[in-house]
Amino acid sequence: EVQLVESGGGLVQPGGSLRLSCAASGFTFSHYEMNWVRQAPGKGLEWVSYISRSGDNRDYADPVKGRFTISRDNAKNSLHLQMNSLRAEDTAVYYCARERSTSGFDFWGPGTLVAVSS
Amino acid sequence: QSALTQPRSVSGSPGQSVTISCTGTSTDVGGYDYVSWYQQHPGKAPKVMIYDVTLRPSGVPDRFSGSKSGNTASLTISGLQAEDEADYYCCSHAGSYSHWVFGGGTKLTVL
Repeated sequence: EVQLVESGGGLVQPGGSLRLSCAASGFTFSHYEMNWVRQAPGKGLEWVSYISRSGDNRDYADPVKGRFTISRDNAKNSLHLQMNSLRAEDTAVYYCARERSTSGFDFWGPGTLVAVSS
Repeated sequence: QSALTQPRSVSGSPGQSVTISCTGTSTDVGGYDYVSWYQQHPGKAPKVMIYDVTLRPSGVPDRFSGSKSGNTASLTISGLQAEDEADYYCCSHAGSYSHWVFGGGTKLTVL
């Protein structure tokens, strides 16, 4: 059974940093591209970042470029999102999502809440 | 990259059909046959209902169907059931500029 479980969320002050992780199981992690998608309270889904199977290619949404870094450890079946210079508008539930090539996201984790507030 | 445009809400009675539209541009919806649709119940993670414009993952009822014309994709739900009440989001591949772009979401109410 495919499982994705995020961790690392919490309350952080503006300007602070947080590192999210996503533990994958039930499939060959290195065979899939992965993404982070977020959802601010009461708002819609917003794509955040993408990483290729090998980790060589990465892509970011404009609002997080230069502040967030996506990475993966295929040996440990894990995905990460390093978030620096956090802002109030980064407050959201962050989902780890498996990409089905260019066909969208076929599995999602339950999400982890990041709250940026003083 | 701007979000794809969806109606804020739609509604229908049990047994009826509803269609949710998703309008983008030639650089996303119109440029690729990589539109997917997600159902999200309150407090839950999204679930894929349609991918590659028209394809249904196993386990998704055939009451759900997708289509596309030009820069607009559509999700049709026929034979509405109470459990279909949820938020629905479209998503399109957006090429090298923004990789993926979502619609703003549509709240479906089953009357």
